[in-house]
Amino acid sequence: QLQLQESGPGLVKPSETLSLTCTVSGGSISSTSYYWGWIRQPPGKGLEWIGSIYYSGSTYYNPSLKSRVTISVDTSKNQFSLRLSSLTAADTAVYYCARTDGKHQFDYWGQGTLVTVS
Amino acid sequence: QLVLTQSPSASASLGDSVKLTCTLSSGHNNYAIAWHQQQAEKGPRYLMRLNTDGSHTKGVGIPDRFSGSSSGAERYLTISSLQSGDEADYYCQTWGTDIQVFGGGTKLTVL
Repeated sequence: QLQLQESGPGLVKPSETLSLTCTVSGGSISSTSYYWGWIRQPPGKGLEWIGSIYYSGSTYYNPSLKSRVTISVDTSKNQFSLRLSSLTAADTAVYYCARTDGKHQFDYWGQGTLVTVS
Repeated sequence: QLVLTQSPSASASLGDSVKLTCTLSSGHNNYAIAWHQQQAEKGPRYLMRLNTDGSHTKGVGIPDRFSGSSSGAERYLTISSLQSGDEADYYCQTWGTDIQVFGGGTKLTVL
């Protein structure tokens, strides 16, 4: 069974850069069938897609966040990572990593990690 | 612009059925969507992919009580024989060219 696990600091200061890693187990991140994405959820609010990456390194981002986001992949570690710069309190959220079938539906989700900007 | 619209809340009684709606924006009637369930204090769980013709592919372990259907720009999630564990937020999601979109979510209360 595929599992995804987010890791990273739970508290980050304003104006700094957030770095999170998603470790994939039970499957290969190098599969040609899937993309890997980041989604966030501010407290009490809905889901917001941040961006996605293919094992080759090809990425696509939410236009509203594109200037501040970088997603990368490390196939040797079966991991992919998120960097979000110039943080403000509005970036406080639970951050999820997930797999997409092609560029379509998210079909496996991590449990999420809360990041507080303060 | 690709947008998904969901009612903020819905309610139904234990043992009954409920039908949740996700509406695609104008010009996007032919888009497939996915449904996700998010129970309190948990991460989302993929329920199914729902195609324009109403055919759907469920995620691993999703019971038969969950089904999907489509009509025009509307995509539906029907949950039958409601259980207390079905009380959750339900999100629809769709995709376009290099874009992923979520609906605002529907909070389902089981009475």
